[in-house]
Amino acid sequence: KNQVEQSPQSLIILEGKNCTLQCNYTVSPFSNLRWYKQDTGRGPVSLTIMTFSENTKSNGRYTATLDADTKQSSLHITASQLSDSASYICVVSADTGGFKTIFGAGTRLFVKA
Amino acid sequence: NAGVTQTPKFRILKIGQSMTLQCTQDMNHNYMYWYRQDPGMGLKLIYYSVGAGITDKGEVPNGYNVSRSTTEDFPLRLELAAPSQTSVYFCASSTGTWGQFFGPGTRLTVL
Repeated sequence: KNQVEQSPQSLIILEGKNCTLQCNYTVSPFSNLRWYKQDTGRGPVSLTIMTFSENTKSNGRYTATLDADTKQSSLHITASQLSDSASYICVVSADTGGFKTIFGAGTRLFVKA
Repeated sequence: NAGVTQTPKFRILKIGQSMTLQCTQDMNHNYMYWYRQDPGMGLKLIYYSVGAGITDKGEVPNGYNVSRSTTEDFPLRLELAAPSQTSVYFCASSTGTWGQFFGPGTRLTVL
């Protein structure tokens, strides 16, 4: 069964600290993996997109890693800011010739002053 | 560019009523999607379209219908609203199966 599991469910950190969010998937055959940021009451916004051959991609203070062998990805946030408080969603697409995209339930991040 | 716009932002329906959620994009994207997001859950694909005149079912299509007469518009129709359809609905568009752009969402409550 195609699944995307994220951990932790929620996380509280102090402003300025770093954190790492995890994503494990069983989607097959793998096409690409995306991380989205979703602010409360808004639609998701794309942070990074990675294909099978990419193992690191950065977008400012956000760095995503991908290990296609172990089917794991992580999103590392450096020097967190209050505006980083949001849900972070891992999304994996399968290369089936049709359209198969599985969304994780997200990690809710709270950054406190 | 306005990106992806959705109307209405909020709606309360009674059981059995019908409504259409509107979605418009001005980026000339071929792909458009409708998702629903239940509290604490991941987004689930309802329907998608790869171009004008072409639509296909996603993971949870029951109780919904779509049409795609133009590249810009992709309305979602609920014919007989049920409490199980209480959710937040997101429309998205993309140039392929990459980097979808999402609208702000429509929060629907069915009582």
